[in-house]
Amino acid sequence: QVQLVQSGAEVKKPGASVKVSCKASGYTFTGYYIQWVRQAPGQGLEWMGWINPNTAGTPGGTFHAHKFQDRVAMTRDTSISTAYMELSRLKSDDTAVYYCARVGIGGTSQGWFDYWGQGTLVTVSS
Amino acid sequence: QLVLTQSPFVSASLGASVKLTCTVSSGHSSYAIAWHQQQPEKGPRYLMKVNSDGSHSKGDGIPDRFSGSSSGAERYLIISSLQSEDEADYYCQTWGIDIAFGGGTKLTVL
Repeated sequence: QVQLVQSGAEVKKPGASVKVSCKASGYTFTGYYIQWVRQAPGQGLEWMGWINPNTAGTPGGTFHAHKFQDRVAMTRDTSISTAYMELSRLKSDDTAVYYCARVGIGGTSQGWFDYWGQGTLVTVSS
Repeated sequence: QLVLTQSPFVSASLGASVKLTCTVSSGHSSYAIAWHQQQPEKGPRYLMKVNSDGSHSKGDGIPDRFSGSSSGAERYLIISSLQSEDEADYYCQTWGIDIAFGGGTKLTVL
């Protein structure tokens, strides 16, 4: 069965970086885009961006929402079917639960999210 | 700009039925959406995809009590025989231009 298992909670100081992992199993990792979404305490879901595990590292292999443009990096390691989201220059309002999700149609970033990771709480506090 | 609008709060009685609404912004009434359920202190769970023609396809293991439909720019999630575990936040999500989420509906089961 399809599973996305994320890394554990993190506590970081303002200005630091955090790297969240998302390990996929139960399907061909390179066949489906991974999306990243975050949820601040008591708030709704905020889309961050996506990675194409098949072509990441080449032009067009990742895409980020404009507000994260120069702070976020999405990478992957196909040998262990794992996607990563690294957010740098952390601020207090980056405190949130970060989720990865699989796009339900193979080979495209645009589709419904059919499987979600369990979430990773990132707390930014001095 | 593609925007999804949801009522923030809905309540219904145990055992009753409820219809949650997600409205797609003007000019995008042909867009499909997905519904996701987020129970308290849990991550989101995919429920179903609802097309503009009202057809829908559910995720793995989603009970028959959950169904979807459409009318114009509105996409619906219908939950029948409400149970206590249905008390949750429900988000709609769409795609095509960008990924977008509605603001969520908090469903209270009385």
